[in-house]
Amino acid sequence: GDSVTQTEGQVTVSESKSLIINCTYSATSIGYPNLFWYVRYPGEGLQLLLKVITAGQKGSSRGFEATYNKEATSFHLQKASVQESDSAVYYCALSEGTGGYKVVFGSGTRLLVSP
Amino acid sequence: EAAVTQSPRNKVTVTGGNVTLSCRQTNSHNYMYWYRQDTGHGLRLIHYSYGAGNLQIGDVPDGYKATRTTQEDFFLLLELASPSQTSLYFCASSDAPGQGAEQFFGPGTRLTVL
Repeated sequence: GDSVTQTEGQVTVSESKSLIINCTYSATSIGYPNLFWYVRYPGEGLQLLLKVITAGQKGSSRGFEATYNKEATSFHLQKASVQESDSAVYYCALSEGTGGYKVVFGSGTRLLVSP
Repeated sequence: EAAVTQSPRNKVTVTGGNVTLSCRQTNSHNYMYWYRQDTGHGLRLIHYSYGAGNLQIGDVPDGYKATRTTQEDFFLLLELASPSQTSLYFCASSDAPGQGAEQFFGPGTRLTVL
């Protein structure tokens, strides 16, 4: 079946340092999935951070960026310089490119930014 | 003002208890979803609905019922709660699924079944 893998359960980064959160996917029943990063701040629901619906394209928001790499089946999240306010849980997700309802989420990566 | 709200935010019940989780959205979306999230797992879809009176089965429906009474309100029912249903529950809404359709989430309900 379709799946999203985030290998790191938690990542700790010092403020102003760079960040990468890994995400790989398997879309056996979906030809060209849409890819998403959602973020959940403490006490809040998930909110969309960025999305990319075309392979090879890059999405960006709030200093974060991710590139849809169809060959490597990856969608890693990167930021050049993190801030303490970026501390949150980040979820990678995919959905059917043809407009199906189903969204498959990764298990989430908790980012802790130390001052 | 928050567009998807959930109540209660925290709930503790005992095995065999009856629990109702509520969700209301003011986005005028047709689609609503109930997910559960457990450590080490992504969000897993329990039930979803594409309009008042409609209910569709998700990936992990066992032990759960749901009801969509209006476009705004979607309820999740646990009629005989079990400890395995201890989890963080999220409700979400969206427009009709399409290219890059975004889901909008409530803040979650943490349920503990003793």
